[in-house]
Amino acid sequence: QPVLTQPPSASASLGASVTLTCTLSSGYSNYKVDWYQQRPGTGPRFVMRVGTGGIVGSKGDGIPDRFSVLGSGLNRYLTIKNIQEEDESDYHCGADHGSGGNFVWVFGGGTKLTVL
Amino acid sequence: QLQLQESGPGLVKPSETLSLTCTVSGGSISSSSYYWGWIRQPPGKGLEWIGSIFYGGSTYYNPTLKSRVTISVDTSQNQISVRLNSVTAADTAMYYCARIDTVVPRWGIFDIWGQGTLVTVSS
Repeated sequence: QPVLTQPPSASASLGASVTLTCTLSSGYSNYKVDWYQQRPGTGPRFVMRVGTGGIVGSKGDGIPDRFSVLGSGLNRYLTIKNIQEEDESDYHCGADHGSGGNFVWVFGGGTKLTVL
Repeated sequence: QLQLQESGPGLVKPSETLSLTCTVSGGSISSSSYYWGWIRQPPGKGLEWIGSIFYGGSTYYNPTLKSRVTISVDTSQNQISVRLNSVTAADTAMYYCARIDTVVPRWGIFDIWGQGTLVTVSS
């Protein structure tokens, strides 16, 4: 099953842009990754799914156009433009893996985004 | 609008069994378009998938927890439950239930989450 790696922290100034990275382990370059936003004290919410061709399907409910994704090689990126205070959150990436009729879901360690 | 609400004891003693329920409102868990899952998050750490269940009863479990966990569904109550036995302090976490989309290309996405319930394992 894949392992997802995320840097533990990132920061950006109000109104700036930031790109968060989720890296798949070797051998899983064709996998799609799901991004989730978790504001302090709340449950996660789905942002969008990304593959090597970019977004897969549609964004989650209420996700603004400022959020976009790209995929390249083993990396899956979430970019937030014109950062707002409400974007300060933990961002998690996740993926599902099927093998022999069985499925597992894995998550990265999460990146804490601080808005300066 | 679909909502999920977790409930259960906030404190469990070591070696005992953790038991939580997720009540689904605003929709039926007996939909062929969705699975239902449990995910947990230890304080200050990332998310860990516990397991998933289809309303018909088929289940998938995290291999690291499989020997201790059971997930079940009660369609008459519109609820999903999780039981984790032989708990230790390492099982202290916020526990979330979530809906999992099964319609391609969204198969596997946790698209709706509950607010979570904190469970502390301590004597």
